[in-house]
Amino acid sequence: KQEVTQIPAALSVPEGENLVLNCSFTDSAIYNLQWFRQDPGKGLTSLLLIQSSQREQTSGRLNASLDKSSGRSTLYIAASQPGDSATYLCAVTGGGNKLTFGTGTQLKVEL
Amino acid sequence: GAVVSQHPSWVICKSGTSVKIECRSLDFQATTMFWYRQFPKQSLMLMATSNEGSKATYEQGVEKDKFLINHASLTLSTLTVTSAHPEDSSFYICSLGEGGLSVNTEAFFGQGTRLTVV
Repeated sequence: KQEVTQIPAALSVPEGENLVLNCSFTDSAIYNLQWFRQDPGKGLTSLLLIQSSQREQTSGRLNASLDKSSGRSTLYIAASQPGDSATYLCAVTGGGNKLTFGTGTQLKVEL
Repeated sequence: GAVVSQHPSWVICKSGTSVKIECRSLDFQATTMFWYRQFPKQSLMLMATSNEGSKATYEQGVEKDKFLINHASLTLSTLTVTSAHPEDSSFYICSLGEGGLSVNTEAFFGQGTRLTVV
């Protein structure tokens, strides 16, 4: 059974700092890995999708890497802003487009 | 990308009543849809896979008689929480499965439904 873990569970940083969120998964047989953002009481916003054959993806201040063989992914956020405060979830896609979500990292960027 | 419309976005109901949540795929024909549940401060957990024209597949520990899923068309899946109790209060969210979507595309989610049972 696939298990996805995210470290740290919570993170508080001052505005402007660069930060890294970590995601690990136990079964490397995945189609892709996705990073999502979830604001309190809201749905999911897709941030980045990395195919299993890719090593990284970039979108603006976000960069996600994937090391499938070791079961790890990182999300790098550059020059963090208070608007980045949210819960970040990683999820791996298995057969049939079924996602297994990580435990989430709750990020707070302070002024 | 695909557009998934989920309704209602929030609902408050009395204990013992039933609540129906709709998930519509507006521009893709989805032979499967997924229903997830998220308790406060926890991650999303897959409840069941909704299959068009056949019975849903439930994850271990999810009561099929309590969470009724109907997927009567390629664009609509419904989740009915029967005889709801306060412990069923949660955030329910659907996503598209296969059928018009490759496994290598991003997942598309509905907006979610916040259910509060009082």
